[in-house]
Parts: sequence; structure tokens; C-alpha cells
Amino acid sequence: NAGVTQTPKFQVLKTGQSMTLQCAQDMNHNSMYWYRQDPGMGLRLIYYSASEGTTDKGEVPNGYNVSRLNKREFSLRLESAAPSQTSVYFCASSEFRADQPQHFGDGTRLSIL
Amino acid sequence: DQQVKQNSPSLSVQEGRISILNCDYTNSMFDYFLWYKKYPAEGPTFLISISSIKDKNEDGRFTVFLNKSAKHLSLHIVPSQPGDSAVYFCAASARQGAQKLVFGQGTRLTINP
Repeated sequence: NAGVTQTPKFQVLKTGQSMTLQCAQDMNHNSMYWYRQDPGMGLRLIYYSASEGTTDKGEVPNGYNVSRLNKREFSLRLESAAPSQTSVYFCASSEFRADQPQHFGDGTRLSIL
Repeated sequence: DQQVKQNSPSLSVQEGRISILNCDYTNSMFDYFLWYKKYPAEGPTFLISISSIKDKNEDGRFTVFLNKSAKHLSLHIVPSQPGDSAVYFCAASARQGAQKLVFGQGTRLTINP
């Protein structure tokens, strides 16, 4: 009964390094999402995938890329990490319906020095 | 431009009393609203939602009220319990298939024994 699983849970990078955050869901959901949460702020949408084979930009996409590998997996890549990308990253999934809630993983805490 | 606002960063309530958390929004296209609860080092957990066609939705101790004319929603928790101590986020979306949720900044609720 895992739900949404994110790996790794913690990571420290140096400026300019690259990194891929992994996310997998076992709820057979069509839609998946990546958010970041910064202190004193709510979650902000980075990218989302409405269904397998599609991806779209959210509110704060700059500096990130995503890949919807299959229906279960949705990865987030930082090609050249910057200190401004220090944050907690959450992955979520949902049915492809506007009235169904998103289910979140426990997050990846990423620090960029 | 903060489309969803939670103006109270924190709230302290005595156990057994009512907790009222408030949220305001500016985008009149929003028609689905959710409340999430978040414990430290965990992902947000869905609590309750409401569609814009309703003005109230109840689930056990939790009730959400929506005032569309005022663009305001509130979450009532009664009676409040120590386990309710957490950060609460309201979120909103416009019906577009996949949900592009916009979150408020969160309110930290502390229930005192």
C-alpha cells in the first residue's frame, strides 16, 4: 500500500551538478505532478503530466525538465543545479478528473551549495 | 500575484474547542477547492474538498464552507484534538481535466491540551 514513492529522501548537490528525482505511484492514476515547497510559501506546481505521453509546464518550470517514463513513473531533472533550487520537492498523482484529490509522496529535501 | 491566500500563519486552539481556518482566493475561474493537512517530514494528506456548486461539505469533525461571492472558504474542525496539530493548506483549481492546484501559504494549527 505504498501510494506515491519518491527517491531519494535527501540530497546535497554542488552548484552546477545535475540530478534526477524519481517518483512512482501504484494507484493506477493517469495524472502526475511535481511541486516545490519553500519556507513560508505553499506548494508551487513545476510540471505536470495529465496522462502518459504528455507533459506541461506549471507555475515555476524554469531550470527543470521532466519525463513521464510510463504510467507509473514521472521523473524531475535538474540539469545544472542552482542555490535557488534548494527546496522540498513533492510528487503527486490523481485521476484525470478535476474533482478528484491529488495524493502526495513524502518529499525529497534538496540542498544546493 | 498570490491567487490563494491564507492570512493567518498560525492558530492556537484549546483541545475540545472549534478550530476555524480561513482562505481567500482571487481567481473567479476556480471551482474546486481542497484542504490538505501536513505533518513535518511527510507529504500533504487530503482532508476534504468542495465544489463551487455547493456551499458546505461535511466529513466527520471537518466541515468546509464556501462563500463564492466573497471568494472565501473556511475549514471548521470540531471538536479539536491534539492530533489535529499540523500545517493546513487550502488549494484551488479550475476545471481543466488535470488539476493545476494553486496552494495557499499554509496555517500552522496548534491544539493545546
